Amino acid sequence: GEDVEQSLFLSVREGDSSVINCTYTDSSSTYLYWYKQEPGAGLQLLTYIFSNMDMKQDQRLTVLLNKKDKHLSLRIADTQTGDSAIYFCAESIDNAGNMLTFGGGTRLMVKP
Amino acid sequence: DAGVIQSPRHEVTEMGQEVTLRCKLISGHNSLFWYRQTMMRGLELLIYFNNNVPIDDSGMPEDRFSAKMPNASFSTLKIQPSEPRDSAVYFCASSDRNSYNEQFFGPGTRLTVL
Repeated sequence: GEDVEQSLFLSVREGDSSVINCTYTDSSSTYLYWYKQEPGAGLQLLTYIFSNMDMKQDQRLTVLLNKKDKHLSLRIADTQTGDSAIYFCAESIDNAGNMLTFGGGTRLMVKP
Repeated sequence: DAGVIQSPRHEVTEMGQEVTLRCKLISGHNSLFWYRQTMMRGLELLIYFNNNVPIDDSGMPEDRFSAKMPNASFSTLKIQPSEPRDSAVYFCASSDRNSYNEQFFGPGTRLTVL
C-alpha cells in the first residue's frame, strides 16, 4: 500500500536553512505536495512539484525530487520564527490527483 | 471568499450520542474531502465527493460514519453512535480540480467523545 514517511521533528535557529525530508512509495504519483499546518488551523498548500521535474524554487522554498529514490525534500532558506509549524508531504495516489496520502508531518521549531 | 467553513469548531459529547459535523465548500469548487486527524494515525482521508457523488469511501471507519452532500456547496459527516475513539480533529477540504488539484482546508472541528 501507499506510505509516506517523514521525520517527526526538526529544530533550527532563526536565519538558518531548514531541510525537511520525505519518502514516498507510489512511483506513479503525478504531483507531490508540501502542506503547512499552523496551530489550531487546517492545512495550507505551500508548494507542489510535478513528477517530471527534479527541482522547483519559489522564493525561500526549494523542492527537490529524486524519483529514483522516491525522495522529496523541502528547503526553507533564512528560516523565520513564523515558519514554525507542522509540514506535511503528500503524494497523489489516483490518476486524477484527487486522493492524497499524507505523511505524518514534521514539526519544525525555529528558535530565535 | 470566506474559504471552507466548518461548524461547530468544537464539539464535546457523550458516548452513544449522534454527532453531525458540517462543511460549506468554497463557491465554485466541485470536490469535497473529509479527513480525520489524530496523534496516533495522522491525517486520514475518510471519503471524497466529486460533483456531489461519493467517489471513494474506503477510509470511512465503519457503518457508524456516514457522509452526505445534499447540494453542491454543503456536506455533513455524521457519527451515530459516537464512541470515545472517534475523538479527533475532523477537516473538510474542497478543490476545483485545477491543474495541480490544490485542496483548501477548513479550520477543522475538534470532537471529544467522553
